[in-house]
Amino acid sequence: AQTVTQSQPEMSVQEAETVTLSCTYDTSESDYYLFWYKQPPSRQMILVIRQEAYKQQNATENRFSVNFQKAAKSFSLKISDSQLGDAAMYFCACSDSRGGSEKLVFGKGTKLTVNP
Amino acid sequence: DSGVTQTPKHLITATGQRVTLRCSPRSGDLSVYWYQQSLDQGLQFLIQYYNGEERAKGNILERFSAQQFPDLHSELNLSSLELGDSALYFCASSVEGISTDTQYFGPGTRLTVL
Repeated sequence: AQTVTQSQPEMSVQEAETVTLSCTYDTSESDYYLFWYKQPPSRQMILVIRQEAYKQQNATENRFSVNFQKAAKSFSLKISDSQLGDAAMYFCACSDSRGGSEKLVFGKGTKLTVNP
Repeated sequence: DSGVTQTPKHLITATGQRVTLRCSPRSGDLSVYWYQQSLDQGLQFLIQYYNGEERAKGNILERFSAQQFPDLHSELNLSSLELGDSALYFCASSVEGISTDTQYFGPGTRLTVL
């Protein structure tokens, strides 16, 4: 079965510092997509960044970047210059195309605290 | 704001009852997904629709059903509710419902079963 593992239930970072959230996944598919979603206290699921597995170049969105290691099946999220508004649950997800569906499989999440 | 709307935001009901959750996808999106987020199970895929047709089922109970209407909005029906059905239910939408799409999530409906 497709699985996504986030080994850090909680992380904390000082404002303006950099933090890296870890994610590993297991898939039998050759073509797949990886995502990081942010869930602030409002509960809204907000897309942070997306990576196509066939691309070697790591995705970047402003202060957010990923370190995608395909062979190791690792997909970590780096947040630079952390801001108080970055405090949230962060979920790593992998696309799953089995059974004709294009669903997402999510990890359990990492709670990020940003300290002023 | 993702452009996906869900109503109601909160729903409190009793065991054995039936409720309907509603979702309107982003303009132009043809595919709708339903996910359940609970403390013990995390975020789990329930069901996907594409242009009115069911495309795939995930961990959806037989007491639950869904449909997508011609105007592309979707409803998730939960019946014979149990305490364990208390969760946050998300709807997401994407353009074509394929792996190259990004899924955009609605704000969720918080269901509490007493």
